[in-house]
Amino acid sequence: DTEVTQTPKHLVMGMTNKKSLKCEQHMGHRAMYWYKQKAKKPPELMFVYSYEKLSINESVPSRFSPECPNSSLLNLHLHALQPEDSALYLCASSQRGKGTNEKLFFGSGTQLSVL
Amino acid sequence: QKEVEQNSGPLSVPEGAIASLNCTYSDRGSQSFFWYRQYSGKSPELIMFIYSNGDKEDGRFTAQLNKASQYVSLLIRDSQPSDSATYLCAVTAGANSKLTFGKGITLSVRP
Repeated sequence: DTEVTQTPKHLVMGMTNKKSLKCEQHMGHRAMYWYKQKAKKPPELMFVYSYEKLSINESVPSRFSPECPNSSLLNLHLHALQPEDSALYLCASSQRGKGTNEKLFFGSGTQLSVL
Repeated sequence: QKEVEQNSGPLSVPEGAIASLNCTYSDRGSQSFFWYRQYSGKSPELIMFIYSNGDKEDGRFTAQLNKASQYVSLLIRDSQPSDSATYLCAVTAGANSKLTFGKGITLSVRP
């Protein structure tokens, strides 16, 4: 069982909805990540929080908004999404978020469908 | 552009055979190399990591790294149907570098 917990596991939302994905890790890690993964593609990095500092992939649209209340929690707020945003959203954590040899541990993911 | 390349596959092997998965990378400064296994509809799971040239063995899995030739491989001995999954190669370069994933290769182990 993963020590990175994501909720919900599945989410269906309309294009006008506002929803949030939640992630919690219990490993004392100081870096947390959001990835987006389309079918048969590798994960794409969206956001990184390392020691509560945010790094953004500038190609991510503003309808995705991350929030890191503390080093164990990471949320992803969704607003006015498009059908092409339907994907598996993965949360991950690592020990420091910098330096080599950082191992990523993934949560079970949220399968998002935008109608 | 840092690239990580994997054969597109799929790769099919009979049960009990050795499955060989290969990965090449473009950034000579790459320092850390990871193999993730992803079952259909599930999240990636770290199964091997290697930092130094040579072989690293863990049970039925062996990771091989050759920095001069810029490739890393994963060997799975005595392949089982439960090994059927997509295998993602991932690489990091320097201290502030993020993980770069290859496209993954799907392995099918025939009973």
